[in-house]
Amino acid sequence: GAVVSQHPSRVICKSGTSVKIECRSLDFQATTMFWYRQFPKQSLMLMATSNEGSKATYEQGVEKDKFLINHASLTLSTLTVTSAHPEDSSFYICSARDRQGGGYTFGSGTRLTVV
Amino acid sequence: GNSVTQMEGPVTLSEEAFLTINCTYTATGYPSLFWYVQYPGEGLQLLLKATKADDKGSNKGFEATYRKETTSFHLEKGSVQVSDSAVYFCARISNDYKLSFGAGTTVTVRA
Repeated sequence: GAVVSQHPSRVICKSGTSVKIECRSLDFQATTMFWYRQFPKQSLMLMATSNEGSKATYEQGVEKDKFLINHASLTLSTLTVTSAHPEDSSFYICSARDRQGGGYTFGSGTRLTVV
Repeated sequence: GNSVTQMEGPVTLSEEAFLTINCTYTATGYPSLFWYVQYPGEGLQLLLKATKADDKGSNKGFEATYRKETTSFHLEKGSVQVSDSAVYFCARISNDYKLSFGAGTTVTVRA
């Protein structure tokens, strides 16, 4: 079945530094990748949608300069949290939409802690 | 607007009990509907889906039927196990291929 690899699974960083999270579709080409944020005991909040080779589309209220998304190929998208602050601590999940079948596959998530 | 309303938890059950999690949606047209499951510390896994009215999705003993009359997609399982303890999300797809999720329902099954 379709597999999406997301890493790192956990990262701790200092305030002011930047962190990059990778999301890779292993056995299919992803037309579109989605980035979500999940707070404890809450649902997933869509942050942005990225299409290969074009700029990401951000949801209202999400700072595009803070959450940089790059979708350089049909199998890789990255989310960079720039100048991280403790309030950016959260669980970040990516999802990839299969170019052919249209199904959605989720990564295993990244737990970011900013200290 | 397009949204998903899901029964709030948490839900605590004994093994072999019957589980129902209610989900209703608002939408124009007939969007595809999904149930996802999230185990502790993990991402989401697709549990089942239905793409048109009256479809029944099923997997691992779970079932949900797409009811256009009541705009519902309730999740059911006749006999739960401890391993079913997780958070369950109802979701629908929008015209721009984005998934909208319900708030999630935490289910705990006790032996």
